[in-house]
Amino acid sequence: QSALTQPASVSGSPGQSITISCTGTSTDVGGYNYVSWYQQHPGKAPKLMMYDVSNPPSGVSNRFSGSKSGNTASLTISGLQAEDEADYYCSSYSSSSTVVFGGGTKLTVL
Amino acid sequence: EVQLLESGGGLVQPGGSLRLSCAASGFTFSNYAMSWVRQAPGKGLEWVSTFSGNGGTRYYADSVKGRFTISRDNSKNTLYLQMNSLRAEETAVYYCAKHRSFVVVTAMDYWGQGTLVTVSS
Repeated sequence: QSALTQPASVSGSPGQSITISCTGTSTDVGGYNYVSWYQQHPGKAPKLMMYDVSNPPSGVSNRFSGSKSGNTASLTISGLQAEDEADYYCSSYSSSSTVVFGGGTKLTVL
Repeated sequence: EVQLLESGGGLVQPGGSLRLSCAASGFTFSNYAMSWVRQAPGKGLEWVSTFSGNGGTRYYADSVKGRFTISRDNSKNTLYLQMNSLRAEETAVYYCAKHRSFVVVTAMDYWGQGTLVTVSS
Protein backbone atom coordinates (compact mmCIF):
# COMPACT_ATOMS: atom_id res chain seq x y z
CA GLN A 1 0.00 0.00 0.00
CA SER A 2 2.52 2.64 -1.10
CA ALA A 3 1.28 6.18 -1.43
CA LEU A 4 0.78 7.65 -4.87
CA THR A 5 3.38 10.23 -5.90
CA GLN A 6 2.38 13.87 -6.23
CA PRO A 7 4.54 17.01 -6.45
CA ALA A 8 4.79 18.67 -3.07
CA SER A 9 3.84 22.05 -4.47
CA VAL A 10 2.72 23.83 -7.59
CA SER A 11 1.97 27.48 -8.20
CA GLY A 12 0.42 29.72 -10.77
CA SER A 13 -0.87 33.23 -11.29
CA PRO A 14 -4.55 34.12 -11.47
CA GLY A 15 -5.99 33.20 -14.85
CA GLN A 16 -3.26 30.68 -15.64
CA SER A 17 -3.62 26.90 -15.85
CA ILE A 18 -1.80 24.37 -13.72
CA THR A 19 -1.64 20.60 -13.74
CA ILE A 20 -1.05 18.32 -10.77
CA SER A 21 0.24 14.84 -11.50
CA CYS A 22 -0.39 11.67 -9.57
CA THR A 23 1.80 8.66 -10.32
CA GLY A 24 1.07 5.15 -9.22
CA THR A 25 1.54 1.68 -10.61
CA SER A 26 -0.29 -0.83 -12.75
CA THR A 27 -1.96 -2.18 -9.62
CA ASP A 28 -3.69 1.08 -8.79
CA VAL A 29 -3.79 4.16 -11.06
CA GLY A 30 -2.81 2.27 -14.19
CA GLY A 31 -5.07 -0.67 -13.57
CA TYR A 32 -8.39 1.02 -12.91
CA ASN A 33 -10.35 4.10 -13.87
CA TYR A 34 -11.11 4.75 -10.21
CA VAL A 35 -8.92 7.79 -9.63
CA SER A 36 -10.41 10.63 -7.63
CA TRP A 37 -9.20 14.07 -6.55
CA TYR A 38 -9.90 15.98 -3.35
CA GLN A 39 -9.44 19.62 -2.41
CA GLN A 40 -8.72 20.55 1.17
CA HIS A 41 -8.57 24.06 2.56
CA PRO A 42 -6.76 24.60 5.88
CA GLY A 43 -8.72 23.30 8.81
CA LYS A 44 -11.49 21.94 6.60
CA ALA A 45 -12.61 18.51 5.51
CA PRO A 46 -11.62 17.26 2.05
CA LYS A 47 -14.00 17.93 -0.83
CA LEU A 48 -14.42 15.63 -3.83
CA MET A 49 -13.43 17.45 -7.04
CA MET A 50 -13.17 14.63 -9.58
CA TYR A 51 -14.15 10.96 -9.65
CA ASP A 52 -13.49 8.06 -12.01
CA VAL A 53 -10.56 9.98 -13.54
CA SER A 54 -12.45 12.69 -15.37
CA ASN A 55 -15.92 13.17 -13.89
CA PRO A 56 -16.59 16.28 -11.81
CA PRO A 57 -19.36 16.05 -9.20
CA SER A 58 -22.30 18.37 -9.56
CA GLY A 59 -21.41 21.86 -8.41
CA VAL A 60 -17.68 21.66 -9.14
CA SER A 61 -16.47 24.37 -11.50
CA ASN A 62 -15.85 23.34 -15.10
CA ARG A 63 -12.39 24.89 -14.69
CA PHE A 64 -11.39 21.56 -13.15
CA SER A 65 -10.65 18.60 -15.42
CA GLY A 66 -9.05 15.20 -15.01
CA SER A 67 -7.22 12.74 -17.21
CA LYS A 68 -5.05 9.64 -17.08
CA SER A 69 -2.27 8.17 -19.15
CA GLY A 70 -0.73 4.88 -18.13
CA ASN A 71 0.15 4.96 -14.44
CA THR A 72 -0.19 8.75 -14.12
CA ALA A 73 -3.37 10.71 -13.52
CA SER A 74 -3.61 14.47 -13.73
CA LEU A 75 -5.83 17.25 -12.43
CA THR A 76 -5.84 20.46 -14.43
CA ILE A 77 -7.21 23.74 -13.13
CA SER A 78 -7.72 26.43 -15.73
CA GLY A 79 -8.36 30.10 -15.10
CA LEU A 80 -6.77 29.94 -11.66
CA GLN A 81 -8.59 31.85 -8.94
CA ALA A 82 -7.50 32.79 -5.45
CA GLU A 83 -10.08 30.42 -3.97
CA ASP A 84 -8.34 27.48 -5.66
CA GLU A 85 -5.40 27.82 -3.28
CA ALA A 86 -5.55 24.63 -1.21
CA ASP A 87 -4.06 21.18 -0.82
CA TYR A 88 -5.01 18.61 -3.44
CA TYR A 89 -4.94 14.85 -3.00
CA CYS A 90 -5.36 12.10 -5.53
CA SER A 91 -6.69 8.70 -4.62
CA SER A 92 -7.06 5.38 -6.38
CA TYR A 93 -8.58 1.99 -5.82
CA SER A 94 -5.87 -0.67 -5.57
CA SER A 95 -5.84 -4.31 -6.63
CA SER A 96 -5.55 -5.43 -3.02
CA SER A 97 -9.07 -4.11 -2.43
CA THR A 98 -7.71 -1.08 -0.69
CA VAL A 99 -7.64 2.65 -1.27
CA VAL A 100 -4.43 4.63 -1.62
CA PHE A 101 -3.92 8.39 -1.44
CA GLY A 102 -1.21 10.58 -2.83
CA GLY A 103 0.99 12.58 -0.53
CA GLY A 104 -0.77 15.81 -1.43
CA THR A 105 0.11 18.91 -3.43
CA LYS A 106 -0.01 22.44 -2.08
CA LEU A 107 -1.33 24.82 -4.71
CA THR A 108 -0.29 28.43 -4.32
CA VAL A 109 -2.00 31.15 -6.34
CA LEU A 110 0.58 33.89 -6.72
CA GLU B 1 -28.71 17.23 2.89
CA VAL B 2 -26.02 14.66 3.64
CA GLN B 3 -24.49 15.07 7.08
CA LEU B 4 -21.77 13.05 8.78
CA LEU B 5 -20.96 13.76 12.41
CA GLU B 6 -17.99 12.05 14.03
CA SER B 7 -17.55 11.68 17.77
CA GLY B 8 -15.50 9.73 20.27
CA GLY B 9 -12.09 11.28 19.78
CA GLY B 10 -9.90 12.32 22.65
CA LEU B 11 -6.71 11.68 24.54
CA VAL B 12 -5.65 8.06 25.01
CA GLN B 13 -2.41 6.50 26.25
CA PRO B 14 -0.23 4.39 23.97
CA GLY B 15 -1.58 0.85 23.93
CA GLY B 16 -5.04 2.07 24.82
CA SER B 17 -8.37 1.79 23.01
CA LEU B 18 -10.96 4.18 21.66
CA ARG B 19 -14.19 3.81 19.71
CA LEU B 20 -15.16 6.42 17.14
CA SER B 21 -18.71 6.91 15.89
CA CYS B 22 -20.08 8.59 12.78
CA ALA B 23 -23.76 9.49 12.74
CA ALA B 24 -25.10 9.80 9.21
CA SER B 25 -28.21 11.50 7.87
CA GLY B 26 -29.69 12.73 4.62
CA PHE B 27 -29.26 9.50 2.62
CA THR B 28 -30.11 5.81 2.76
CA PHE B 29 -27.17 4.77 4.91
CA SER B 30 -27.34 1.04 4.27
CA ASN B 31 -26.94 1.50 0.51
CA TYR B 32 -23.51 3.08 0.62
CA ALA B 33 -19.95 2.08 1.44
CA MET B 34 -18.48 4.09 4.29
CA SER B 35 -14.85 4.75 5.15
CA TRP B 36 -12.56 6.11 7.80
CA VAL B 37 -9.66 8.28 6.64
CA ARG B 38 -7.13 9.89 8.97
CA GLN B 39 -4.78 12.83 8.77
CA ALA B 40 -1.88 13.29 11.14
CA PRO B 41 -1.06 16.90 12.08
CA GLY B 42 0.50 18.64 9.09
CA LYS B 43 0.45 15.44 7.03
CA GLY B 44 -1.56 13.97 4.17
CA LEU B 45 -4.64 11.80 4.03
CA GLU B 46 -4.35 8.12 4.88
CA TRP B 47 -7.08 5.60 4.18
CA VAL B 48 -7.84 3.44 7.22
CA SER B 49 -10.83 1.21 6.53
CA THR B 50 -13.99 0.77 4.47
CA PHE B 51 -17.23 -1.10 5.11
CA SER B 52 -19.14 -1.91 1.94
CA GLY B 53 -22.83 -1.19 1.63
CA ASN B 54 -23.92 -4.44 0.06
CA GLY B 55 -23.71 -6.97 2.81
CA GLY B 56 -20.73 -6.53 4.98
CA THR B 57 -17.30 -6.69 3.37
CA ARG B 58 -14.68 -4.89 5.41
CA TYR B 59 -11.36 -3.62 4.15
CA TYR B 60 -8.36 -2.43 6.16
CA ALA B 61 -5.04 -0.73 5.61
CA ASP B 62 -2.14 -3.02 6.48
CA SER B 63 -1.08 -0.55 9.18
CA VAL B 64 -4.25 -1.14 11.22
CA LYS B 65 -5.20 -4.70 10.32
CA GLY B 66 -5.70 -6.79 13.44
CA ARG B 67 -5.97 -3.75 15.74
CA PHE B 68 -8.85 -1.72 14.29
CA THR B 69 -12.37 -2.97 13.59
CA ILE B 70 -14.88 -1.15 11.42
CA SER B 71 -18.57 -1.83 11.94
CA ARG B 72 -21.90 -0.28 11.10
CA ASP B 73 -25.42 -0.28 12.53
CA ASN B 74 -27.76 0.39 9.65
CA SER B 75 -30.73 0.69 12.03
CA LYS B 76 -29.00 3.61 13.73
CA ASN B 77 -27.35 5.05 10.59
CA THR B 78 -24.04 4.92 12.38
CA LEU B 79 -20.53 3.85 11.44
CA TYR B 80 -17.97 2.85 14.05
CA LEU B 81 -14.24 2.37 14.34
CA GLN B 82 -12.92 0.40 17.30
CA MET B 83 -9.24 1.18 17.73
CA ASN B 84 -7.07 -0.99 19.97
CA SER B 85 -3.36 -0.99 20.77
CA LEU B 86 -3.08 2.61 19.70
CA ARG B 87 0.32 4.07 18.87
CA ALA B 88 1.63 7.60 19.20
CA GLU B 89 2.01 7.91 15.44
CA GLU B 90 -1.73 7.35 15.07
CA THR B 91 -2.45 10.76 16.49
CA ALA B 92 -4.63 12.29 13.80
CA VAL B 93 -7.94 13.74 12.80
CA TYR B 94 -10.16 10.83 11.84
CA TYR B 95 -12.69 11.53 9.11
CA CYS B 96 -15.77 9.55 8.25
CA ALA B 97 -16.62 9.56 4.54
CA LYS B 98 -19.49 8.31 2.40
CA HIS B 99 -18.79 6.63 -0.94
CA ARG B 100 -20.73 7.29 -4.15
CA SER B 101 -22.17 3.78 -4.13
CA PHE B 102 -22.11 0.55 -2.15
CA VAL B 103 -18.69 -0.56 -3.35
CA VAL B 104 -15.26 0.47 -2.13
CA VAL B 105 -13.99 1.35 -5.62
CA THR B 106 -16.08 4.51 -5.76
CA ALA B 107 -14.93 7.93 -4.64
CA MET B 108 -15.83 9.49 -1.30
CA ASP B 109 -18.32 12.23 -2.04
CA TYR B 110 -19.16 13.47 1.46
CA TRP B 111 -16.90 13.89 4.47
CA GLY B 112 -17.51 14.71 8.10
CA GLN B 113 -15.59 17.43 9.93
CA GLY B 114 -13.42 14.89 11.71
CA THR B 115 -12.63 13.97 15.29
CA LEU B 116 -9.18 14.36 16.82
CA VAL B 117 -7.49 11.36 18.39
CA THR B 118 -4.39 12.07 20.43
CA VAL B 119 -2.25 9.14 21.53
CA SER B 120 0.10 10.29 24.24
CA SER B 121 1.20 9.49 27.76
